[in-house]
Formats: sequence, C-alpha cells, structure tokens
Amino acid sequence: KNQVEQSPQSLIILEGKNCTLQCNYTVSPFSNLRWYKQDTGRGPVSLTIMTFSENTKSNGRYTATLDADTKQSSLHITASQLSDSASYICVVSDRGSTLGRLYFGRGTQLTVWP
Amino acid sequence: EADIYQTPRYLVIGTGKKITLECSQTMGHDKMYWYQQDPGMELHLIHYSYGVNSTEKGDLSSESTVSRIRTEHFPLTLESARPSHTSQYLCASSDRSGTGELFFGEGSRLTVL
Repeated sequence: KNQVEQSPQSLIILEGKNCTLQCNYTVSPFSNLRWYKQDTGRGPVSLTIMTFSENTKSNGRYTATLDADTKQSSLHITASQLSDSASYICVVSDRGSTLGRLYFGRGTQLTVWP
Repeated sequence: EADIYQTPRYLVIGTGKKITLECSQTMGHDKMYWYQQDPGMELHLIHYSYGVNSTEKGDLSSESTVSRIRTEHFPLTLESARPSHTSQYLCASSDRSGTGELFFGEGSRLTVL
C-alpha cells in the first residue's frame, strides 16, 4: 500500500534553534517528493520539489534531503523563526500515470516559541 | 505568490442548504483540483479536472459536484449540505510542466449546523 508517514507528529522548539522533520514513504513507482508549509487556516505553499536524482535541495533556511534507496526524506530548518510555526506536509508523486497521483502525509505541526 | 483565489473563506450554513465554493486561477493552468482536509489529517482528493469540460472524481467519495466551463474557474457545489460536510476545502491548480507543482488557494472553511 502506498503511504507517506511523517514524524514527529508535533514539535516545539525555541526560536533560533534548528530542527529536522522526517518523511518515510512506500510509494512506488516514484516520481518526486515535495515539502509544503501550511500556516494555520491557509493553503499549503511549496517549499521544495525533488526528483529521483536529487539528494538535497535548499530554499533559504529550509533544506530538504532525499534518499530514494531507503525511501526517506528530511526537512531541516535552520535558525528557526516564529514565522516557521506551521504544519509541514510531505507529498510523494508516483509515476506511470497521466494523473501523477499524489500521496500526502498528515504533516508535522511545528511550534516555535520565543 | 500564487494567483489562485477561493471564496468564501469561511461559511456557516444550516443543514439542507445548497452551497457553491468558488475557485479561480489566473495562471492559465489546465489542471485544477479540489481537496478536503480535516484537522490533523492528510489532504484527500475529491475532484479534479484536466481542462474545460473535463471533470473526474478523486479518491475520496464526495457528494459534491464540480464543473469546468472556463479554464480559470472550477466551482464546487453541494446541493444539500449536512453536518458531515463540515471541513476545510482546498482548491489547487498545476501546469503541464515536469513536476507539475501544485499551487493552492487559501481554502474555504465550511461549517454545517
């Protein structure tokens, strides 16, 4: 069964600290993996998209890694800010269909305290 | 900033009422989607469209219907709302390029009393 599992479910850190969020998936075949940030009451916003051949991709203080062999990805946030408080969603797309079906994780709820 | 808009942002209605959630995008994207999201849960695809006059049901069964008469417009309609329809509804669009990045609207929070 194609699944996307994220951990931890929630995380509280102090402003200025770093953190790493995890995403494990069983989706096969694999096309790409995306990380989205969703502020409370808002729509998700794309942070990174990585294909099979990409190991790491950065977007400002956000760095995503991908290990396609172990089917794991991580999102590292450096020097956290209060505005980083949000839900971070991992999404995996399969291959082999025109739909390019997306499989969503439940997200990690990150809270940054001052 | 994504140019995709949803209205209303919040809606509280009584059981049995007909509602339409509006979604418009100005990016010229062919593909549009409706997702349903409950607190702490993953997004579930309920409808999608690959272009004008093309609509398909998604993975999650929904009593709602959609239409795609214009490229930029993808409204969702509930003929008779029930409390079980209470949820967050997210509209998204994507283009035909490589990874097909999704652009989401701000969402419509529906509460049915």
